[in-house]
Formats: sequence, C-alpha cells, structure tokens
Amino acid sequence: ETGVTQSPTHLIKTRGQQVTLRCSSQSGHNTVSWYQQALGQGPQFIFQYYREEENGRGNFPPRFSGLQFPNYSSELNVNALELDDSALYLCASSFGQGRLSYEQYFGPGTRLTVT
Amino acid sequence: GEDVEQSLFLSVREGDSSVINCTYTDSSSTYLYWYKQEPGAGLQLLTYIFSNMDMKQDQRLTVLLNKKDKHLSLRIADTQTGDSAIYFCAEISGYNFNKFYFGSGTKLNVKP
Repeated sequence: ETGVTQSPTHLIKTRGQQVTLRCSSQSGHNTVSWYQQALGQGPQFIFQYYREEENGRGNFPPRFSGLQFPNYSSELNVNALELDDSALYLCASSFGQGRLSYEQYFGPGTRLTVT
Repeated sequence: GEDVEQSLFLSVREGDSSVINCTYTDSSSTYLYWYKQEPGAGLQLLTYIFSNMDMKQDQRLTVLLNKKDKHLSLRIADTQTGDSAIYFCAEISGYNFNKFYFGSGTKLNVKP
C-alpha cells in the first residue's frame, strides 16, 4: 500500500507568480484535503475534494484553487503569490465524505518559499 | 469559530511519562485526534478518540477525553528520545464536518 506523496519537495517562487503543487492519494482513498502550515503554527484547512468536486473550503481567497482527477490525485494552484503564502503545504487523503472521512493521512508536504 | 488550544512546550526526562493537554471549544466535535510531526516532515496520525468515549489506550499512548470541560490529553508512557517532536491536537467539527481544526502544537523535548 502506497502512502500519500507530494511533489515537489521544495519550491522557490517570486511574488506575483503562480504555482502548482501535486498530491497522490493513498491507495483506496477518494478524498483529498489541502492545508497550509505557516512556520510555528498548526495546519490551516484550505479545501477538500471528494470525487473530483470541491467539498468544503476554509478561509482562503479564490486565488487558491484546486483540482481532483479521476484517479483521485490532486493539484493545488495558487495565483498571484504573496510573501505570506510562504509555508509548508500539506495534502491529506481519506476515504469517504464529511464525517466518514475522519481518518486522514498526510503527505510529507511541499515547502514553498515566496521571495 | 472553532478553537483548539495547546501549551507550547513540554520537557521531560527519558523514561518518564509525558502528558500533553489540549482544550477545544466546539461541543459538537465528533472525533478528536493526536498527530505527531517530526522536523521537516508531514503529520503522522497517532491516535483518535470518538466523542462518546472517555479513554482510549494504544500501547504506550493513552488518550483521555473530558467532554464536559472540553479537555483532551495524550499520555505517553516511558517516553523515549525518539518521541521528541511537535504534537498536534485536532478536531473534526459536527457542523463543518469536512474540516479539521488543529491546535498550534506542543513541542515535546525528551532529555536523555
């Protein structure tokens, strides 16, 4: 059984640029959630995808967008990057929707630095 | 909104027990979790407890839930240096049950 994988591991971008981060779910999981973890903080929920549809969103602006593919892998896109977007971006996969997705497994994260 | 709070630091000696505490505000929480994060790594699910339980034990880990006081604790028996990490408490809310809410984490330092 493969765990959750994310790519790239590290990324450096310039303010105003756009970035795409990728996540492959754990085998058998059909739900993906994305989190932003700023230095010294707990993860903050960005959004969740279930069967290719957005299933909920946290307090993040529309320049944070996502996709989920038929194989349940996912992308996080961030447009017009700001310095405050520098963080560790974590992807978590689970099976099911809402309360059924209670057992989430996290990937190692992508460290994004915006200069 | 939902709020999860933890103390920032805990230091113990190897072999002692560690107790990490967490308080939450959402009385509709259904599941409460403990995650471990080692430097430069993602989050590892350690254990979770359903809100209708008071206690859950899993090898060296014991989770206690006081639903009346909205207090959750994680006890690590016979703490080892490999347990040094940041521990996050998290909840899944009954109203926004598609989101996890995390605390800011407790950094556990285990001295040899």
